[in-house]
Amino acid sequence: AQSVTQLGSHVSVSEGALVLLRCNYSSSVPPYLFWYVQYPNQGLQLLLKYTSAATLVKGINGFEAEFKKSETSFHLTKPSAHMSDAAEYFCAVSDTSYQKVTFGTGTKLQVIP
Amino acid sequence: GAGVSQSPSNKVTEKGKDVELRCDPISGHTALYWYRQSLGQGLEFLIYFQGNSAPDKSGLPSDRFSAERTGGSVSTLTIQRTQQEDSAVYLCASSLAQVGGTEAFFGQGTRLTVV
Repeated sequence: AQSVTQLGSHVSVSEGALVLLRCNYSSSVPPYLFWYVQYPNQGLQLLLKYTSAATLVKGINGFEAEFKKSETSFHLTKPSAHMSDAAEYFCAVSDTSYQKVTFGTGTKLQVIP
Repeated sequence: GAGVSQSPSNKVTEKGKDVELRCDPISGHTALYWYRQSLGQGLEFLIYFQGNSAPDKSGLPSDRFSAERTGGSVSTLTIQRTQQEDSAVYLCASSLAQVGGTEAFFGQGTRLTVV
């Protein structure tokens, strides 16, 4: 069965600092990986996705993530945090056979001015 | 419609009453998910429909919860004899699951309050 683990349910960074949100996956077949963002009182929207093309994936709002098979990781980064990045971020995985998308428990990002 | 539509957006019900929550997925999407998001909690998977396959009901928390998907499109999540702990935002998502790597698109959710 596929799964994702997000390390840290809450992460705080200063405005302008590096954002690093961690995600490790488990999948018996090559995975597809996703990051979603949920702003306060809004639904989830896709930030970026990995579908076996380039291992470094760029998304919206300056976020990017790198697929590392050897580490089974897909960490989300942004060089410089902005106040508007405060939200909850969800990592997700689906495999190439069953296609069901499985979500992690989420990481709440707080940006301190 | 252009996106996943859920109704009602808000529902307040009395403890012990039954409620039905509706989800209209994006046209042509074969996969449909229901999730629950309680205050301060992450996403809790409830049920997954994929085409004509038997649904994955492994996330339903009790037999008070059920869901159906008619004609491979609209889905209804039913909660019987609601309890206060059922208060949460219920999210629906759909995806074009036959195509590899397609993401799930979410609705805005139904906020359920049991009083």
